[in-house]
Amino acid sequence: DAGVIQSPRHEVTEMGQEVTLRCKPISGHDYLFWYRQTMMRGLELLIYFNNNVPIDDSGMPEDRFSAKMPNASFSTLKIQPSEPRDSAVYFCASNSDLGSFYEQYFGPGTRLTVT
Amino acid sequence: AQTVTQSQPEMSVQEAETVTLSCTYDTSESDYYLFWYKQPPSRQMILVIRQEAYKQQNATENRFSVNFQKAAKSFSLKISDSQLGDAAMYFCAYRSLQGGSEKLVFGKGTKLTVNP
Repeated sequence: DAGVIQSPRHEVTEMGQEVTLRCKPISGHDYLFWYRQTMMRGLELLIYFNNNVPIDDSGMPEDRFSAKMPNASFSTLKIQPSEPRDSAVYFCASNSDLGSFYEQYFGPGTRLTVT
Repeated sequence: AQTVTQSQPEMSVQEAETVTLSCTYDTSESDYYLFWYKQPPSRQMILVIRQEAYKQQNATENRFSVNFQKAAKSFSLKISDSQLGDAAMYFCAYRSLQGGSEKLVFGKGTKLTVNP
């Protein structure tokens, strides 16, 4: 299994630009999670989907952030417009409620730098 | 809301020695899962070990074991025979089994250094 795939691995952009992060979950997993990791706030859950439907987006910081999951094998996290305080590592994770322990499998992360 | 506290921002251990990382959590629930994740410099989050709250027996995975004290809401990770490859950030995480939520709540992490 290829694991959770994220792209790009690194993104550098200027303030005000639109940023799109991409994620492909593990095949067969029906839950997908987006996390943000910063030194100050640690790992925060932004949003998660079940069967492509957003279930809890209470962690999405503001309207500049949006996430979609058009099908079971693809999700995007978009920031528009981006700001320097959005600089962080963004992780995607997936799991299946058919497995034991509901372990979440993480992707390698996207390091976003907004200048 | 549940919270997870890791009181040791940094720890160090000599190679081949044993180290224990602390984690406490706050919850009013009786059934839940607890996890330890490792994040090496590569950034990849890797599951180290997991514990179901209803199980009294402490989980073990090779050199990794936990001390789960449910009444005290404590979930410490013991690494035996530490190796250089164990150097990483370690995160404790809590998962509720109530309300249908799939959320993981993470602690702030402990940075483990392994000295040769």
